[in-house]
Amino acid sequence: SAVISQKPSRDICQRGTSLTIQCQVDSQVTMMFWYRQQPGQSLTLIATANQGSEATYESGFVIDKFPISRPNLTFSTLTVSNMSPEDSSIYLCSVWERDSYEQYFGPGTRLTVT
Amino acid sequence: ELKVEQNPLFLSMQEGKNYTIYCNYSTTSDRLYWYRQDPGKSLESLFVLLSNGAVKQEGRLMASLDTKARLSTLHITAAVHDLSATYFCAVDRDDKIIFGKGTRLHILP
Repeated sequence: SAVISQKPSRDICQRGTSLTIQCQVDSQVTMMFWYRQQPGQSLTLIATANQGSEATYESGFVIDKFPISRPNLTFSTLTVSNMSPEDSSIYLCSVWERDSYEQYFGPGTRLTVT
Repeated sequence: ELKVEQNPLFLSMQEGKNYTIYCNYSTTSDRLYWYRQDPGKSLESLFVLLSNGAVKQEGRLMASLDTKARLSTLHITAAVHDLSATYFCAVDRDDKIIFGKGTRLHILP
């Protein structure tokens, strides 16, 4: 199974600043996803990031606010731009393994915006 | 638009009892997943159900899938305190996984 790491694990940021979250996978994967989980809530898909193509954003999420990079098959970044307290959440990276049909999740990045 | 509904959203039960969590989804799907999440932790994959009639079991948990009814169940047998967690079902359509709201399970000793 894929092993996923995220950096940072948590951060406290000021309103108006930006934070870039890194996601590293120990194997090559085609499909990577970014999710947001607000406290006590379910997971909401932000975007799908496939290597070699532009990220595909879900309704309610835009590239200017959440730019994503996917430079290779093992790495992706999500930037939360011009943050507000409403962006306080856990951000999770996820990958899908085609062979097993499993989708695995990273440990998450807990973001607090003050 | 794909919608995934779980019920109940909260369940408090005694150890030793059996119970079932239900997951309904609104459109045809490629796969159905069940995950467990402990407080402050990420998601742990429990089951992936690929086809109609699929049944998988791991310990006291058993998951099944009825694609015609667009229904999956997660059955808990003789619950123990260690199973207290939030359980999510998620449905895959067009290579995107959409989650239900989750069922917060609290098992009383």
